Amino acid sequence: DTAVSQTPKYLVTQMGNDKSIKCEQNLGHDTMYWYKQDSKKFLKIMFSYNNKELIINETVPNRFSPKSPDKAHLNLHINSLELGDSAVYFCASSQDTLRPRGNTEAFFGQGTRLTVV
Amino acid sequence: GQQLNQSPQSMFIQEGEDVSMNCTSSSIFNTWLWYKQDPGEGPVLLIALYKAGELTSNGRLTAQFGITRKDSFLNISASIPSDVGIYFCAGRLVAGTYKYIFGTGTRLKVLA
Repeated sequence: DTAVSQTPKYLVTQMGNDKSIKCEQNLGHDTMYWYKQDSKKFLKIMFSYNNKELIINETVPNRFSPKSPDKAHLNLHINSLELGDSAVYFCASSQDTLRPRGNTEAFFGQGTRLTVV
Repeated sequence: GQQLNQSPQSMFIQEGEDVSMNCTSSSIFNTWLWYKQDPGEGPVLLIALYKAGELTSNGRLTAQFGITRKDSFLNISASIPSDVGIYFCAGRLVAGTYKYIFGTGTRLKVLA
């Protein structure tokens, strides 16, 4: 069973469209993330949710709206897609990052390659 | 956004050689993670470090949490062709929001 799964794996769409990426984790973790990986392979955090509540929002345009219906799911909706949104988007999860120490390592999904044309 | 300085940026090595890469920052971290990413895949966790000075091994991989808590290194011994990929460090800050900041990556190519 896949621990963190994202759908779709590939997404090609036109500028101006609205699209969603779904993420589910079956690890029982209470924190989930969205990361963006650009063409240079830099990984940057976009959002973090803990127990369905937004705890990190890293200066992301408000065209990007995460939604967490429950602890196991964190979806990413993107409005009015732009060429610069083309990237690979990774979902990840970890167990309780609010602890100062402990087993809080993050596990990643396979990524969604978004191409805006 | 913040990024960790990771070096080297890329390296070509011969099969059987040992490899060393490191991450440095001006900030203090309480957790260091090392990941490997293969083409078309997500980062896969290799080693997690939680204490300053901690030295942890995972097969041919060894990683250390720097004493100053501002750096970490990863060693790969006796490299093999399947070690090829991008290696990332990730750190979690002590203060402020709890998030993982990633290094710029080390692209490793192993020549058989």
